[in-house]
Amino acid sequence: GESVGLHLPTLSVQEGDNSIINCAYSNSASDYFIWYKQESGKGPQFIIDIRSNMDKRQGQRVTVLLNKTVKHLSLQIAATQPGDSAVYFCAENGGGGGNKLTFGTGTQLKVEL
Amino acid sequence: ETGVTQSPTHLIKTRGQQVTLRCSSQSGHNTVSWYQQALGQGPQFIFQYYREEENGRGNFPPRFSGLQFPNYSSELNVNALELDDSALYLCASSLEGGVSTDTQYFGPGTRLTVL
Repeated sequence: GESVGLHLPTLSVQEGDNSIINCAYSNSASDYFIWYKQESGKGPQFIIDIRSNMDKRQGQRVTVLLNKTVKHLSLQIAATQPGDSAVYFCAENGGGGGNKLTFGTGTQLKVEL
Repeated sequence: ETGVTQSPTHLIKTRGQQVTLRCSSQSGHNTVSWYQQALGQGPQFIFQYYREEENGRGNFPPRFSGLQFPNYSSELNVNALELDDSALYLCASSLEGGVSTDTQYFGPGTRLTVL
């Protein structure tokens, strides 16, 4: 099998700094995007979502930006805390009905004290 | 907490055996999706059930099958287990499977090890 994805990209930030996690998606027909946070030994936890008719959406300490021109999605976390340490996945819904999600490979966020 | 539960938490099987994994969705959610997550990778879509009927399938062989019941519970069955089936199996429940913007909420997963 493929070994792609065994070594996740890692982002290390200092506590209190802002974090930016990037994701490139593949399907130009995707109309819904979600960021999930996954802690070790747990299932993915919904963070924030955005529809394709928007380019920015804000939540509590998190902002998602969508650039459909270059098929790029980013998650910004303000004032990063130790509890934010986890693997972050972007997921896209390919449209055409139904809600099958296609996940990216994930980014490991490490928050240093 | 998402209100989605899965059982068992961990399971060890040998190659060739069959396994049944269970999921309990959030009350009122008509759709359940199953995903396979290999170590260090993102979840891969297996299939989805909406109102007890299969509503989409990913690139998995027929030995992966499922059932959804009226009481918001569901099962994933895998026959003739292979070593590569070792993974974390996740179920996700959502309100309406026919809507692309329907948010999926994941359970904690079942860790399956095939020896």
